Amino acid sequence: GAGVSQSPSNKVTEKGKDVELRCDPISGHTALYWYRQSLGQGLEFLIYFQGNSAPDKSGLPSDRFSAERTGGSVSTLTIQRTQQEDSAVYLCASRDGLAGATDTQYFGPGTRLTVL
Amino acid sequence: AQSVAQPEDQVNVAEGNPLTVKCTYSVSGNPYLFWYVQYPNRGLQFLLKYITGDNLVKGSYGFEAEFNKSQTSFHLKKPSALVSDSALYFCAVRDMNNNAGNMLTFGGGTRLMVKP
Repeated sequence: GAGVSQSPSNKVTEKGKDVELRCDPISGHTALYWYRQSLGQGLEFLIYFQGNSAPDKSGLPSDRFSAERTGGSVSTLTIQRTQQEDSAVYLCASRDGLAGATDTQYFGPGTRLTVL
Repeated sequence: AQSVAQPEDQVNVAEGNPLTVKCTYSVSGNPYLFWYVQYPNRGLQFLLKYITGDNLVKGSYGFEAEFNKSQTSFHLKKPSALVSDSALYFCAVRDMNNNAGNMLTFGGGTRLMVKP
């Protein structure tokens, strides 16, 4: 079946521009996660959605980062006024959300963001 | 707070030999542990997880992992390595923060190099 998909796969932008990253989770998965993978920080958690709600946004690195999820499906991560330190691979994951925390998270291929 | 340590940045092994990728963890409560593999320019692929039950967990592609509570370890193993196993391996533990959807805390990753 279809896995988690993300777009674009690569994004190159100039410092100061806004970017929008998209995640399409596995159909029926209620829980959705965004992580960031960078050389200096490893894999770090950004935000979690249960349905359309994000209970805790404290993982977002700064107020330039925001995320939303609509219809309990697609999610977008928006970075405003991008900085060079935002360059990283942004990974999205989803899980069923109904069987509890023992569910497995399944990851998308990621979006590689390069800020020039 | 939960944490995961992967003490080796890189593991080198000859094809056909057994391999071990080490992982130790620190959690409060029962640990829920995961292994993921990342091939170049790809997202994370789930290999296996330990929730409860047998200490030896079998997963995809012939991998297995041994949960050792007294040593707080969850080492990944394979009896006979293949060149195609060369990739980046991540150990992860489920976080206890429900507001973060029990997100995963990852180790720093271990690069496995299997040489012919």
